[in-house]
Amino acid sequence: EAGVTQFPSHSVIEKGQTVTLRCDPISGHDNLYWYRRVMGKEIKFLLHFVKESKQDESGMPNNRFLAERTGGTYSTLKVQPAELEDSGVYFCASSQEGEKLFFGSGTQLSVL
Amino acid sequence: GNSVTQMEGPVTLSEEAFLTINCTYTATGYPSLFWYVQYPGEGLQLLLKATKADDKGSNKGFEATYRKETTSFHLEKGSVQVSDSAVYFCALRPLGSYIPTFGRGTSLIVHP
Repeated sequence: EAGVTQFPSHSVIEKGQTVTLRCDPISGHDNLYWYRRVMGKEIKFLLHFVKESKQDESGMPNNRFLAERTGGTYSTLKVQPAELEDSGVYFCASSQEGEKLFFGSGTQLSVL
Repeated sequence: GNSVTQMEGPVTLSEEAFLTINCTYTATGYPSLFWYVQYPGEGLQLLLKATKADDKGSNKGFEATYRKETTSFHLEKGSVQVSDSAVYFCALRPLGSYIPTFGRGTSLIVHP
């Protein structure tokens, strides 16, 4: 069974540009989460989907971040326009009933 | 609010040494507690968990006991191996919530 897949693994962009991160959860997992880890700090919650619905987006930093999960399958997280402080590792996770999360290996985003 | 505090890393040990990584938490009620591990180049994986006071989670030689009186969930292993080198994250999930809160992670480096 395939795990959680994230693409790209690394992205280097300039301030002001747009970047879109993609996450493919484990097939059949209704719950999908986005988290972010800035260098050496906590893994911070961004938002939680149940199927295609945003269940909790309280962690989204501002309106430059837009997450979608059309059809309840894969999800995208778009940052537009990117700022220097958006740099970090963006993790996606999925779960069936919330007890155990399965994580992807993350996207390392560097904004220069 | 909910929070998790982990000891600063990196923790550097020789093979077969005893490991302790401290974790304390702040939460209302009785959260579930977790340890996740991230090996180089991979996503986070659930290592062990405990769901109520005095429960002991264990896996792969690692153990952690849910201590309500000290709000702690310290990770221990009697004899570490080089292959245990990774980043370890302590996390809590409040009762009734699907959203874990993570600590900042503790890097473990084990030398032969």
